[in-house]
Amino acid sequence: NAGVTQTPKFRVLKTGQSMTLLCAQDMNHEYMYWYRQDPGMGLRLIHYSVGEGTTAKGEVPDGYNVSRLKKQNFLLGLESAAPSQTSVYFCASSYSPLANTEAFFGQGTRLTVV
Amino acid sequence: GENVEQHPSTLSVQEGDSAVIKCTYSDSASNYFPWYKQELGKGPQLIIDIRSNVGEKKDQRIAVTLNKTAKHFSLHITETQPEDSAVYFCAPKSYSGGGADGLTFGKGTHLIIQP
Repeated sequence: NAGVTQTPKFRVLKTGQSMTLLCAQDMNHEYMYWYRQDPGMGLRLIHYSVGEGTTAKGEVPDGYNVSRLKKQNFLLGLESAAPSQTSVYFCASSYSPLANTEAFFGQGTRLTVV
Repeated sequence: GENVEQHPSTLSVQEGDSAVIKCTYSDSASNYFPWYKQELGKGPQLIIDIRSNVGEKKDQRIAVTLNKTAKHFSLHITETQPEDSAVYFCAPKSYSGGGADGLTFGKGTHLIIQP
């Protein structure tokens, strides 16, 4: 039972490079989320999706784009990486927040932008 | 939006003692109160949650208490063990308007269990 899987686990980028983080869940969850975690800041929501083909902005969306072409996958893109985007990124999914259900998190992707 | 504060930011207790972490929130419409535990190198994991119609919930050594009037809820861990060392996050939520827009997390409490 894989749950939520994030790829890659570690990455170093140069300023201005682009990359895509992949999140895959095998629990048939409708809702998926991307958070970033910085020291002393907790987790902050970047973008989220309430279903296949839909996305919405969270608290800190600038510099990121997302896509949800398939229900099980949620992609986070950085078009032109900046040092301020150095962070640990977590993907999460839940069956339905309307039922106050648990959010399941991936193991995280540690991204360093130099 | 929800304004969430956790206290303390770091808590060090002797193994076997109790630990209490407090979370205050601003949105009076909040009706769901979860606590997440994050171990080193892992994603957060739900350990206990409570709905607004309940004042207290226990699960073995952990419990959550809610004071809706004062807008705070607390995580209680009794008989602490080394495996309790982690960062704990609260994430109060209002589901009145749908609630699809994710959780707002506190900044976390680093719990250290001293042997």
